[in-house]
Amino acid sequence: RKEVEQDPGPFNVPEGATVAFNCTYSNSASQSFFWYRQDCRKEPKLLMSVYSSGNEDGRFTAQLNRASQYISLLIRDSKLSDSATYLCVVNIGTNAGKSTFGDGTTLTVKP
Amino acid sequence: GAVVSQHPSRVICKSGTSVKIECRSLDFQATTMFWYRQFPKQSLMLMATSNEGSKATYEQGVEKDKFLINHASLTLSTLTVTSAHPEDSSFYICSARDQGTNTEAFFGQGTRLTVV
Repeated sequence: RKEVEQDPGPFNVPEGATVAFNCTYSNSASQSFFWYRQDCRKEPKLLMSVYSSGNEDGRFTAQLNRASQYISLLIRDSKLSDSATYLCVVNIGTNAGKSTFGDGTTLTVKP
Repeated sequence: GAVVSQHPSRVICKSGTSVKIECRSLDFQATTMFWYRQFPKQSLMLMATSNEGSKATYEQGVEKDKFLINHASLTLSTLTVTSAHPEDSSFYICSARDQGTNTEAFFGQGTRLTVV
């Protein structure tokens, strides 16, 4: 079983749609959680951190359920520019701990 | 925010030659940096963890003699692909995390290596 598993996708949605991505992790010692966005042939960039209390940034909402070891990302009112691959990332330990990536979920928003 | 700079962004080399990729943390010290590889339409795969002042830790299946890592200072790690072959063509990305827990990783711009 992979340490971090994401919805395989791809997700093809019309503009304005709401889309949700899910991610599960297997290591209960995981300490911090993030969603990254990666555009084609570019490096991943941080989209948002994920907290147990949930956090929202504009159209994006991230949730963490430690008991179920589950992370989600909700995108409301999808824009064409949201088309990208979204990576679920889990860190174990301090800065010496490696980041483990999910395989990513590809989103395509169509006019 | 913290910045990681990677160089070169793109390199084409002949089969059998070696290529060095640099990864620098520009405004923070990174005792640990990470090297990833990404093939087309695939996920980022961790190759190795670069440790300042000590040997790198390689993931299973990654040849340490082929992918030489040097982390000589707190702001610089290098990855050298030795005797490159066409199957080594890939997108290589480094990352580093600032000190402290629960900090996100900052990525270099990536290096697209093409071996011909």
